[in-house]
Amino acid sequence: KAGVTQTPRYLIKTRGQQVTLSCSPISGHRSVSWYQQTPGQGLQFLFEYFSETQRNKGNFPGRFSGRQFSNSRSEMNVSTLELGDSALYLCASSFGDEKLFFGSGTQLSVL
Amino acid sequence: AQKVTQAQTEISVVEKEDVTLDCVYETRDTTYYLFWYKQPPSGELVFLIRRNSFDEQNEISGRYSWNFQKSTSSFNFTITASQVVDSAVYFCALSEAENTGFQKLVFGTGTRLLVSP
Repeated sequence: KAGVTQTPRYLIKTRGQQVTLSCSPISGHRSVSWYQQTPGQGLQFLFEYFSETQRNKGNFPGRFSGRQFSNSRSEMNVSTLELGDSALYLCASSFGDEKLFFGSGTQLSVL
Repeated sequence: AQKVTQAQTEISVVEKEDVTLDCVYETRDTTYYLFWYKQPPSGELVFLIRRNSFDEQNEISGRYSWNFQKSTSSFNFTITASQVVDSAVYFCALSEAENTGFQKLVFGTGTRLLVSP
């Protein structure tokens, strides 16, 4: 069974640009969550989607948004990038309330 | 608010030594889940264990064991006879047990384990 796939693996953007990250969950998993990992703040919850609906959102500004498609694939978008948005963005999928399976992440660098 | 504390920032051991990673948590919920994840250099978080707050039995899986004590709000992780491949960052995490089945994880800051040959 294929794991959680995140693309791209690395991304370099400049301040003010916007970026879209993609996540394909494990087949059959309907819940997709996103986390941001930085050296300063650690791992922080961004949002979670289930059946194309956002069920919960973390404490991040409105520049961070996401969506989920009918095939459970998810995208997250960050608009008007700031230097502080440089981070590893991790996607996780789960089946019901079981353990989260994480992808390898997208390393975003904002210059 | 929920909080997870991993006081050990980095631990260095020599192969075959036993090592314990500490985790202390705070929550007002009576029902919750505790997790341990391993993050190797590749970046992905690898699931190790999930423990329900009502299940205080210790667990052993190969060289790994976990000690859950509600009285001290701790969920410690021990690696017996450590190996170089155990080198990674280990995260302890806590989540509410919501009826919706959704799990939002609150992570500790992680403990970097370096195992040298």
